[in-house]
Amino acid sequence: AQSVSQHNHHVILSEAASLELGCNYSYGGTVNLFWYVQYPGQHLQLLLKYFSGDPLVKGIKGFEAEFIKSKFSFNLRKPSVQWSDTAEYFCAVNARNQGGKLIFGQGTELSVKP
Amino acid sequence: GAGVSQSPSNKVTEKGKDVELRCDPISGHTALYWYRQSLGQGLEFLIYFQGNSAPDKSGLPSDRFSAERTGGSVSTLTIQRTQQEDSAVYLCASSLDQGAYEQYFGPGTRLTVT
Repeated sequence: AQSVSQHNHHVILSEAASLELGCNYSYGGTVNLFWYVQYPGQHLQLLLKYFSGDPLVKGIKGFEAEFIKSKFSFNLRKPSVQWSDTAEYFCAVNARNQGGKLIFGQGTELSVKP
Repeated sequence: GAGVSQSPSNKVTEKGKDVELRCDPISGHTALYWYRQSLGQGLEFLIYFQGNSAPDKSGLPSDRFSAERTGGSVSTLTIQRTQQEDSAVYLCASSLDQGAYEQYFGPGTRLTVT
């Protein structure tokens, strides 16, 4: 069965610090990869996704992620975080031969101190 | 345009009662998904519908859970004989198609079983 592992459960940063959130998945086939974000009191929304092409993908609000196939990883990065980035971040995997369902990681809560 | 809507937003029920949760997807979206979010389990896939295909029910935790999608639009998730472990936020999402397409999430229904 597929699984997704996010290494950090809670990250606390000061504004302007750099961010990297780890995500690893276990699945041997072809995948689509996603990062979703849930701001306090809001719906889950898509930050970025990878399905083919350049393994470095850019999303909204200055976020980017890099797919490293050999490491089964899809880490999320941002060079300089802002207080408004405080949210919970979820990595998700879709196995292409298993329809559209997403398997999510446990989530990482990011707190940015002003 | 209108996003995914869910009703009710909150539901408190007694153990053993049945509940129905409703999801209105974005118009024109062929894929509809149910997930649940709970403290101990994170975000779990439950079931998804894609067009006229048979639904993927592989995530339903027990036969007390069922879902239907009428006319390719509205979906209802039914939980029979609710148990305390069913307490969670039930999220619905829809997408234009399955796979690499972004899933748009609704606000969720918070279910509390007393």
